[in-house]
Amino acid sequence: GNSVTQMEGPVTLSEEAFLTINCTYTATGYPSLFWYVQYPGEGLQLLLKATKADDKGSNKGFEATYRKETTSFHLEKGSVQVSDSAVYFCALSRQAGTALIFGKGTTLSVSS
Amino acid sequence: EPEVTQTPSHQVTQMGQEVILRCVPISNHLYFYWYRQILGQKVEFLVSFYNNEISEKSEIFDDQFSVERPDGSNFTLKIRSTKLEDSAMYFCASSSDRVPNYGYTFGSGTRLTVV
Repeated sequence: GNSVTQMEGPVTLSEEAFLTINCTYTATGYPSLFWYVQYPGEGLQLLLKATKADDKGSNKGFEATYRKETTSFHLEKGSVQVSDSAVYFCALSRQAGTALIFGKGTTLSVSS
Repeated sequence: EPEVTQTPSHQVTQMGQEVILRCVPISNHLYFYWYRQILGQKVEFLVSFYNNEISEKSEIFDDQFSVERPDGSNFTLKIRSTKLEDSAMYFCASSSDRVPNYGYTFGSGTRLTVV
């Protein structure tokens, strides 16, 4: 079946450090891939997405590239800030109108 | 930017009582969803709704749950007889069907506490 696997957290970094959160997926066909962020006490916000192979999604300094050959969609940021502390969820959708399948989430904690 | 609106933000209910969680999806979206997140755990899909009927549901969405779009704007989730394990954050979402730029927009959630 379709599934998403994320690296286990928590990830603890100092401000301005480089961030990578690994995400791999299993799916039939060509899913769309997403990263969502959940700040403490808040709902889910779309961070970035990619809908086909080799697409790069980017937003707020975060990037992720859809790699079909490695079935991956790793999240990266060159220099994290304290305000980036949140839970990050990788997700996939098989096609428009179908359910999003989420990974377990990775907690990021950034200290100054 | 268009938003998905959920009410109430927090609801406390007695075990065995019925609850209705309400959502107003984005007006030009065609697909509607409910997800839940038990505290500290992953976000789980419950049900999707399209063209006034359920299009997909998970094994969590049993006979205790139902969804409805009673008018042109609201989308509701009803839990008939709540159990302690129904305590969770419930998220409503909506999406467009326009590939490749479709995306899912989530509401800020309703925290349901069953006591």
